[in-house]
Amino acid sequence: SQKIEQNSEALNIQEGKTATLTCNYTNYSPAYLQWYRQDPGRGPVFLLLIRENEKEKRKERLKVTFDTTLKQSLFHITASQPADSATYLCALDIVRGYQKVTFGTGTKLQVIP
Amino acid sequence: NAGVTQTPKFRVLKTGQSMTLLCAQDMNHEYMYWYRQDPGMGLRLIHYSVGEGTTAKGEVPDGYNVSRLKKQNFLLGLESAAPSQTSVYFCASKGTETRADTQYFGPGTRLTVL
Repeated sequence: SQKIEQNSEALNIQEGKTATLTCNYTNYSPAYLQWYRQDPGRGPVFLLLIRENEKEKRKERLKVTFDTTLKQSLFHITASQPADSATYLCALDIVRGYQKVTFGTGTKLQVIP
Repeated sequence: NAGVTQTPKFRVLKTGQSMTLLCAQDMNHEYMYWYRQDPGMGLRLIHYSVGEGTTAKGEVPDGYNVSRLKKQNFLLGLESAAPSQTSVYFCASKGTETRADTQYFGPGTRLTVL
């Protein structure tokens, strides 16, 4: 069956360390993968998009990698801060050309001061 | 710009009642989406629209209907609400510019069906 897996367990990390979140998928060949941030009681907010022909994308303290062979994306937050505490969702275009994505269930990140 | 707005923010219904959720966007986006989010299930696509006057089914369309009579609005209807439709509903929109594949989400509507 097709699915997108994110670690359902919360990730607790000390302030200042690098947080690494994982998104694994099976049976897809996505053209791109996205990462969103969601705070409690709010809608998701787009962070980064990486395309199938890109290995890595950076934005300030954020870095995303995309390995289409392993079918995995890693999302890194360097020098993490308590304000980075949120749930992070990955999303893939599981059906190319249909202008829609499928979301993973998200990983809750808690940055401890 | 207000971005994507949703009305209402909260609603409690009794089983069998009907209601309409309104989504509005002021970004002139072609694509609009309705999702529901449940604990442990993530965001699941209910219906979506690729343009004014068009709609299509998503992953979990049963029990819902939608309409896109105006480009800026996307309505989600529940004709006969069921407790299984208790959820948080999010609307999103997306533009058609080159490489513009990101979705912009509204603040959500929390619906409880008793």
